[in-house]
Amino acid sequence: SQTIHQWPATLVQPVGSPLSLECTVEGTSNPNLYWYRQAAGRGLQLLFYSVGIGQISSEVPQNLSASRPQDRQFILSSKKLLLSDSGFYLCAWSQWGALDEQYFGPGTRLTVT
Amino acid sequence: AQSVTQLGSHVSVSEGALVLLRCNYSSSVPPYLFWYVQYPNQGLQLLLKYTSAATLVKGINGFEAEFKKSETSFHLTKPSAHMSDAAEYFCAVSPNNNDMRFGAGTRLTVKP
Repeated sequence: SQTIHQWPATLVQPVGSPLSLECTVEGTSNPNLYWYRQAAGRGLQLLFYSVGIGQISSEVPQNLSASRPQDRQFILSSKKLLLSDSGFYLCAWSQWGALDEQYFGPGTRLTVT
Repeated sequence: AQSVTQLGSHVSVSEGALVLLRCNYSSSVPPYLFWYVQYPNQGLQLLLKYTSAATLVKGINGFEAEFKKSETSFHLTKPSAHMSDAAEYFCAVSPNNNDMRFGAGTRLTVKP
């Protein structure tokens, strides 16, 4: 069966510090991968998605970036965090090419102080 | 462009009462529609999905939703609320994997 992991689970970082969140998927190959952000009291905002290694699409301009160095690994990064980057970050995957649901990881709670 | 609107950011029901969470969609192509549930500090879990087969879709935990094209709606219902149903619920629309759009969410509170 497929599983999706995210780490860390929680993170407190000062403004201006770098960020690296990692997401890995097991039990499937060539998945579509997604990063979402959920701010307090708001819905989900799609940040990035990837249909293959090295292929990243950005949905919104911001100081975040994403990379996919391996088939089942998706990394969200920032060089300098802003207060507005605080939120709950969710990684998700779906079957490549299938019109089907997305499967979500447990999330990372990021607080920028 | 596809989008969903969830009517009511907060819904409160008594235990044993009917749960009705509203979702209206906008899509230029036949949509796939989804309902997800999120418990505090957790990821989203799929409740049910509509993929152009039966218009009445049954999901997990006793939830179901009916696709009504004429009303562009996909409301989520459960006949009898349990305390464990308290969570946030998201409706989503997707013509394909890469363009899934979520509603703002509805927080369900269940009173004893």
